[in-house]
Amino acid sequence: QQQVKQSPQSLIVQKGGISIINCAYENTAFDYFPWYQQFPGKGPALLIAIRPDVSEKKEGRFTISFNKSAKQFSLHIMDSQPGDSATYFCAASKGTGANNLFFGTGTRLTVIP
Amino acid sequence: EPEVTQTPSHQVTQMGQEVILRCVPISNHLYFYWYRQILGQKVEFLVSFYNNEISEKSEIFDDQFSVERPDGSNFTLKIRSTKLEDSAMYFCASRAGGHTGELFFGEGSRLTVL
Repeated sequence: QQQVKQSPQSLIVQKGGISIINCAYENTAFDYFPWYQQFPGKGPALLIAIRPDVSEKKEGRFTISFNKSAKQFSLHIMDSQPGDSATYFCAASKGTGANNLFFGTGTRLTVIP
Repeated sequence: EPEVTQTPSHQVTQMGQEVILRCVPISNHLYFYWYRQILGQKVEFLVSFYNNEISEKSEIFDDQFSVERPDGSNFTLKIRSTKLEDSAMYFCASRAGGHTGELFFGEGSRLTVL
C-alpha cells in the first residue's frame, strides 16, 4: 500500500518559471508533511514542512499548499533556478515530531537556464 | 553546522556476509533512524531508536537486521547475512526531542551485494 503518492515523476522548467509538485496521502492520522530536497550523492535535506492546522506555508521561494479535505499537498517553487535542480520528495508522518516518515516516490526537477 | 556522519561511504560485499554500517548522529539528538533507498526509488523507513531501544520498525527490518548504540555516540546497523536485494543506499538520520522534529540525514552508505 502506497501511503504517499507523488507526481510528476520528472519535471523540466525554464529558469524563472514556477515548479509545482503534488502529493496525496491516505492516512488521516498523518499530521506532519515535510518536503525534502536531495542532490545526487547526498542525503535528503529538509526544505520546508507544514502541519494540517494551516493551509499554506511560505519560506522564501518555496511554498507548501495543503488541502486537508482532499488529503493533498503541493510544493511550489517560484522563480525556479538551475541550482534548484534536484530530486524532491514529499513525506508524511503521524504522531509527535518526524517519526516514521512515509516518502513519496520523488520528482526529479531540472531547471533549464 | 552539526551533521550526521556515516561510514563507510561505499561497501561492497559478497552475498551471505555480515555488514555493519556506522553512524554518528548529531550530539544532542535523542531519536535515531535508519532509512534505505534502492537506486532510483523512494526512501523507505527501516527502524527508529530511542532511549536505547527500538521504538518502531518496518516490515523490511526483519531478523537479519539489528541496530545498536554501543557507546553513546555511534549508532550502527548490522545486516547479518546480506542478500542481493539489500543493495541500496542506507541513510542514518537523527532528530532532537520535541514536537518540531526536523530529521537530519547523513550522506548515506552505499551497500553493494554481489
